[in-house]
Amino acid sequence: GQNIDQPTEMTATEGAIVQINCTYQTSGFNGLFWYQQHAGEAPTFLSYNVLDGLEEKGRFSSFLSRSKGYSYLLLKELQMKDSASYLCAVMDSNYQLIWGAGTKLIIKP
Amino acid sequence: DGGITQSPKYLFRKEGQNVTLSCEQNLNHDAMYWYRQDPGQGLRLIYYSQIVNDFQKGDIAEGYSVSREKKESFPLTVTSAQKNPTAFYLCASSIRGGAGANVLTFGAGSRLTVL
Repeated sequence: GQNIDQPTEMTATEGAIVQINCTYQTSGFNGLFWYQQHAGEAPTFLSYNVLDGLEEKGRFSSFLSRSKGYSYLLLKELQMKDSASYLCAVMDSNYQLIWGAGTKLIIKP
Repeated sequence: DGGITQSPKYLFRKEGQNVTLSCEQNLNHDAMYWYRQDPGQGLRLIYYSQIVNDFQKGDIAEGYSVSREKKESFPLTVTSAQKNPTAFYLCASSIRGGAGANVLTFGAGSRLTVL
């Protein structure tokens, strides 16, 4: 079966750095997405990786290793507004998105 | 501003009733999707449509129905056959379906509670 694993919950301090990991086992691979979702709201797109390596976008970076079936989202200079759930999704060989359950990130002052 | 509008935001239904959730987009996107979100689980695809007058079942289509008569609109009907319909429903769209950096734009969601 297809599976996406993420930690259920993480806690970090305002101003610090946090890394949210995502491991996947899917039928084929056509890219990995990260979305942010504040409680009760719509998910919003953060990043897309299809080749190995690091993609940087402001305070957020996303890394991919296809050989290891592994990605992480790195958030720097954490702000209180970064408190949200972070969803990892992989596009499989049929171009369907397989979603992880999400990681709830709690930021403390 | 372009976006996706879902309505209603909150809906209560008695058992045995059908309800229809509205989803409208003005992004000129070809593809539209309906997902269900339950606590502790990833998003699960109910139905998707890549073009007007055509749609396909997702992983959990049983008890649901859709239509795509207009490019802008993709309503979802939750029928009485859906055994556990209480959930948060998300509509999404993308420029096209299939391969590539197929970024989804989501609506704000509809929370359905069956009494």
